[in-house]
Amino acid sequence: GDSVTQMEGPVTLSEEAFLTINCTYTATGYPSLFWYVQYPGEGLQLLLKATKADDKGSNKGFEATYRKETTSFHLEKGSVQVSDSAVYFCALSVQGGSEKLVFGKGTKLTVNP
Amino acid sequence: DAMVIQNPRYQVTQFGKPVTLSCSQTLNHNVMYWYQQKSSQAPKLLFHYYDKDFNNEADTPDNFQSRRPNTSFCFLDIRSPGLGDAAMYLCATSRDRVSTDTQYFGPGTRLTVL
Repeated sequence: GDSVTQMEGPVTLSEEAFLTINCTYTATGYPSLFWYVQYPGEGLQLLLKATKADDKGSNKGFEATYRKETTSFHLEKGSVQVSDSAVYFCALSVQGGSEKLVFGKGTKLTVNP
Repeated sequence: DAMVIQNPRYQVTQFGKPVTLSCSQTLNHNVMYWYQQKSSQAPKLLFHYYDKDFNNEADTPDNFQSRRPNTSFCFLDIRSPGLGDAAMYLCATSRDRVSTDTQYFGPGTRLTVL
C-alpha cells in the first residue's frame, strides 16, 4: 500500500541553523507530494507541494524537490527562525487510488533563540 | 477571506453523551473531510463527502456519523463518546477529489470526554 516514512523527531535547532527533514515514500501509482505544518493548537496548513517528478515546491524559505529515483521529498530551509517551531507532516496522494492524503508520523521542530 | 471554520474550538462532553461538531466552508469546495488526530499522532481520516456522496473509511467505528446538509456545512456526530474518543477533530476541504488538489484544514475542535 501507499505509505510515507519521515524522520522522527523531535528536532531541536538554534536560530539561523540549516534544517533538513527527511521524507521517503512508497506508492502504488504516481503520487502528488505535500508538506503540511501544524502550529501548536492549530489545524494543518499547506506549506508546499509538488505534483510531478523533479518539481520543486517552495514557500516561506522552505523547499522540497520531488525525487522519483530516490522516492524522496526532503524538506529544507537554509536559516530557521523561532517562529518555525511546529510539527511538520509529509504526505502523499495517489490518483486512481483513494485520492486521500497518507501522512507520515510528523516531525516536531523546536527552534531556540 | 475564504476559509474553513470549525465550531466550537473546544468541546467538553460526558462519557456516553452524544456530541456534534460543526464545520463550515466559504471555499465552495466539493469535498469535505473529517479527521481524528490524537496527541502526537498524524491525522486519521474518518470519512469524507464528495458533494452528497458519503465515503466511510473501513476502520471508522459506527459510533461516528456525519451529515452534510448543503455544500457549506458538514457535521460530525459522535453517538456515544468514550474516553478513547478524546482527540482533536479536523475538518478539511478540497475543490475536487484528485490527487493534486490541496486540502484546506480548519483550526480543529479539541474534544474532551469526562
